[in-house]
Amino acid sequence: TQLLEQSPQFLSIQEGENLTVYCNSSSVFSSLQWYRQEPGEGPVLLVTVVTGGEVKKLKRLTFQFGDARKDSSLHITAAQPGDTGLYLCAGEPAYSGTYKYIFGTGTRLKVLA
Amino acid sequence: NAGVTQTPKFRILKIGQSMTLQCAQDMNHNYMYWYRQDPGMGLKLIYYSVGAGITDKGEVPNGYNVSRSTTEDFPLRLELAAPSQTSVYFCASTGDGLSYEQYFGPGTRLTVT
Repeated sequence: TQLLEQSPQFLSIQEGENLTVYCNSSSVFSSLQWYRQEPGEGPVLLVTVVTGGEVKKLKRLTFQFGDARKDSSLHITAAQPGDTGLYLCAGEPAYSGTYKYIFGTGTRLKVLA
Repeated sequence: NAGVTQTPKFRILKIGQSMTLQCAQDMNHNYMYWYRQDPGMGLKLIYYSVGAGITDKGEVPNGYNVSRSTTEDFPLRLELAAPSQTSVYFCASTGDGLSYEQYFGPGTRLTVT
């Protein structure tokens, strides 16, 4: 069974602090995505990374795909209350060719003003 | 362009009842997915489809059935509802190849009592 473990599960921080969320697996992925989900809504894509070692930036968010394509991280600089939500990573297992995605366990972030 | 639509938004079922969750997309996507999300958790894949007439099981298919007679529609059928099927159900779709983004519907909140 392919699993994507996210850590931490919960994070409560003050506005302005930095944080990193991790997404780890023992399996290789062709691509890995990060989503943010707000209460009562479906997940919304933040970024997709496809190359080992790739780093992508989206304003204050920095995403990295591990060299071996087994893990990823999301770093938020100077967190704001608007960053509050459930962060999910999702990976497409390598060599599956099925466009079948496995979702991580989720990290619930709360940023206090 | 409505994206992915789901009906109903909420439903309460008695144990043993059956129902169909509707999902439709107007983006001409071939790939469609059904996920369930238990409180505070990530998403688990129930079934997916790579095109009209083609469906396959995900991680947690037991107790569910799907059909894909058209590109647009991907209904999920629950037979003999059980309390363990209490969850939020999300339908998603993705385009072929060039785009990895999954577009999610707003979800159906189902309670089985």
